[in-house]
Amino acid sequence: KNQVEQSPQSLIILEGKNCTLQCNYTVSPFSNLRWYKQDTGRGPVSLTIMTFSENTKSNGRYTATLDADTKQSSLHITASQLSDSASYICVVAPSSNYQLIWGAGTKLIIKP
Amino acid sequence: GAGVSQSPSNKVTEKGKDVELRCDPISGHTALYWYRQSLGQGLEFLIYFQGNSAPDKSGLPSDRFSAERTGGSVSTLTIQRTQQEDSAVYLCASSLANRLYGYTFGSGTRLTVV
Repeated sequence: KNQVEQSPQSLIILEGKNCTLQCNYTVSPFSNLRWYKQDTGRGPVSLTIMTFSENTKSNGRYTATLDADTKQSSLHITASQLSDSASYICVVAPSSNYQLIWGAGTKLIIKP
Repeated sequence: GAGVSQSPSNKVTEKGKDVELRCDPISGHTALYWYRQSLGQGLEFLIYFQGNSAPDKSGLPSDRFSAERTGGSVSTLTIQRTQQEDSAVYLCASSLANRLYGYTFGSGTRLTVV
């Protein structure tokens, strides 16, 4: 069964600190993996999209990594800011169809 | 428009009533998706439109749910005889294609069935 699992479920860190969010998936075959940021009451916003041949991709203070062999991805946030408080969702696109497989997200809270 | 627009932003309805949710995608985006997000849960796929092709309705949870997309642009999601378990945020997204392009999401419609 195609699944995307994220950890931790929630995380609280102090402003300025770094953090890493994890994503494991069992989706096969695999086309691409995406990380989205969802602020409370808003729709998800795309942070990165990586194909199976890409190992890392950065978007400002966000860096995503992908290991297609172990089916693991991580999202590293550097020098966190209060505005980083949101849910971060890992999403995997199977190559067999267009329906994305969504993780439940990690709720990140940045405290001053 | 600059983004995906959804209306209404909030809707409270009585159990058994019908509701219509509207989505205005980004102009030129051929792919349009409807998702449902229950409190604390991941997104649940409902329906997918791509150009003039027949929509993929495989995610609709029951025959009380239907959706249409007129002229390849505006889409309406209709829920008939609403139930309390229909309470959720309904999100619409559009994209240029369904592979490597990211989706642009609307802010959603929060539906509460009382």
